[in-house]
Amino acid sequence: DSGVTQTPKHLITATGQRVTLRCSPRSGDLSVYWYQQSLDQGLQFLIQYYNGEERAKGNILERFSAQQFPDLHSELNLSSLELGDSALYFCASSAAGVFDEQYFGPGTRLTVT
Amino acid sequence: DAKTTQPNSMESNEEEPVHLPCNHSTISGTDYIHWYRQLPSQGPEYVIHGLTSNVNNRMASLAIAEDRKSSTLILHRATLRDAAVYYCILRDYANNNDMRFGAGTRLTVKP
Repeated sequence: DSGVTQTPKHLITATGQRVTLRCSPRSGDLSVYWYQQSLDQGLQFLIQYYNGEERAKGNILERFSAQQFPDLHSELNLSSLELGDSALYFCASSAAGVFDEQYFGPGTRLTVT
Repeated sequence: DAKTTQPNSMESNEEEPVHLPCNHSTISGTDYIHWYRQLPSQGPEYVIHGLTSNVNNRMASLAIAEDRKSSTLILHRATLRDAAVYYCILRDYANNNDMRFGAGTRLTVKP
């Protein structure tokens, strides 16, 4: 158990819909990262927040957005969903910056039908 | 971004050492070498990281070439639980570089 929790575990929704994925980092960790893992693209970094502020952006689509709240939990919002958005979404947290190991949650499996 | 190259797959026998190579010929002076692994149906898990010197921890050892253009993750005695995809990643600490996962090496451990 990494100490990072993600909800829900599974999500099935239809094209065009909007969903919110939630992540609670390990106690004390200030950084939260979001990743997408699909069969054809592998693990892709989406976005990082540090203490409420966006720190780095990866291959995140404009239809996707994220935020980190004062209690440090984070949400990833996916809208206008397409079939190709079906994937595993992982959240990770770390104490602070680049030197710190990232602890990954168990992931949320999103299926878009 | 500096890139890494790893073999697609490797096999090992249980209780034997495993050497997982990684080439990173375009590594910069501010890149740290990180290794993560992903067991089946789980999120990635940190294994080890280093900059220039060899590193050891309870999970593995990391041997870094003198010119830093390659590194090797060493599992001293492979167990069935070590079967996973192993990722070698470069992180630029000067630019708060995010982690870019490649395809990794799929390690199979035979009993």
